[in-house]
Amino acid sequence: DQQVKQNSPSLSVQEGRISILNCDYTNSMFDYFLWYKKYPAEGPTFLISISSIKDKNEDGRFTVFLNKSAKHLSLHIVPSQPGDSAVYFCAASGNNDMRFGAGTRLTVKP
Amino acid sequence: DARVTQTPRHKVTEMGQEVTMRCQPILGHNTVFWYRQTMMQGLELLAYFRNRAPLDDSGMPKDRFSAEMPDATLATLKIQPSEPRDSAVYFCASGLLWEQYFGPGTRLTVT
Repeated sequence: DQQVKQNSPSLSVQEGRISILNCDYTNSMFDYFLWYKKYPAEGPTFLISISSIKDKNEDGRFTVFLNKSAKHLSLHIVPSQPGDSAVYFCAASGNNDMRFGAGTRLTVKP
Repeated sequence: DARVTQTPRHKVTEMGQEVTMRCQPILGHNTVFWYRQTMMQGLELLAYFRNRAPLDDSGMPKDRFSAEMPDATLATLKIQPSEPRDSAVYFCASGLLWEQYFGPGTRLTVT
């Protein structure tokens, strides 16, 4: 069962524009959410996280928004840069469990 | 530059053979995770340890997989006997809570 879903397998944006990656979850026990970035032939790299007590967390060009009632989170990257091109995974944790989404491949075009 | 190391980086083996993957977590991290990534299933959590004690291994096929932490600097994932469906990239990660730092992975191919 897919408890964490990233419905867009890919996203393409122009350099300098905003990238918005979405993630939905089903398990209300999840209370901590993370985004990871993955380049080919490397392990995922932690990007940003948010606790369920917040609805927004910002770190430089990256902002994560959490809508608990909709069980939805999103990652905004602005401005997008070609080096941001990678696969982005969202993850949800809680109740001693952690689940990852299938990932969204972001391509930022120069 | 602290990082998680994994050995071997690549492993090709025949069905039925034992496979052992090793992971050295970042010094000071008290939580170690094992994941498997396949095209079909994506990134799956197999097991994790906190302070070397296994907390959850419900994601792991118990009949053939085993995970241990003999000491704070070494985590192992063993498959015996291996099967072609075990072919995947296996990642180890370490952290203090749920924020994890991943190793480069071990690409396992079972023929």
